[in-house]
Amino acid sequence: DAKTTQPTSMDCAEGRAANLPCNHSTISGNEYVYWYRQIHSQGPQYIIHGLKNNETNEMASLIITEDRKSSTLILPHATLRDTAVYYCIVRVTTRYGGATNKLIFGTGTLLAVQP
Amino acid sequence: SAVISQKPSRDICQRGTSLTIQCQVDSQVTMMFWYRQQPGQSLTLIATANQGSEATYESGFVIDKFPISRPNLTFSTLTVSNMSPEDSSIYLCSARGQGDGTEAFFGQGTRLTVV
Repeated sequence: DAKTTQPTSMDCAEGRAANLPCNHSTISGNEYVYWYRQIHSQGPQYIIHGLKNNETNEMASLIITEDRKSSTLILPHATLRDTAVYYCIVRVTTRYGGATNKLIFGTGTLLAVQP
Repeated sequence: SAVISQKPSRDICQRGTSLTIQCQVDSQVTMMFWYRQQPGQSLTLIATANQGSEATYESGFVIDKFPISRPNLTFSTLTVSNMSPEDSSIYLCSARGQGDGTEAFFGQGTRLTVV
């Protein structure tokens, strides 16, 4: 399994960019990096995913380093409603390197957006 | 995207009884999963619900305790059997298409309290 490491918590001022780091140093070449968030008392919400190239959608940007060992999720203008636990996930592979369809969640980063 | 509905949204149950949680997806999906989220913790994968066959359970979870059904591509149930207070958790259903780069969607969860 490719493991991910994230800071336990982060603060961000409202209106500023929130940059959430994730280390995945054992990632395999065909494994995607996924980001989800969970707002209190809700189910996880998909944000973005990527393989090698940087990705951007209406919610966030994903920056993946060239060696793919780490990535950063960027929320360009954080609002109070972005306060949530953010999970960086690398999909599980089998013993022989084949992809599975399971998403295994780590402990995530609690992002607190401050007014 | 897919919309996932779970029933019930919450319940309070007596120890020793069983509760069946239903998960309905608004479109045909290949993969369905059940997760547990204990208070203050991250999500733990219980099992993959396989259509027309027995579910695939993760380490630490067994069919006798968490029987799962998936009679078709859009519906699954999870039963929490012979409940004890330690089973008090949020149970979440997830669905996704098969293949690399597909995102997973989650229900809002079922909040179970065992007294």
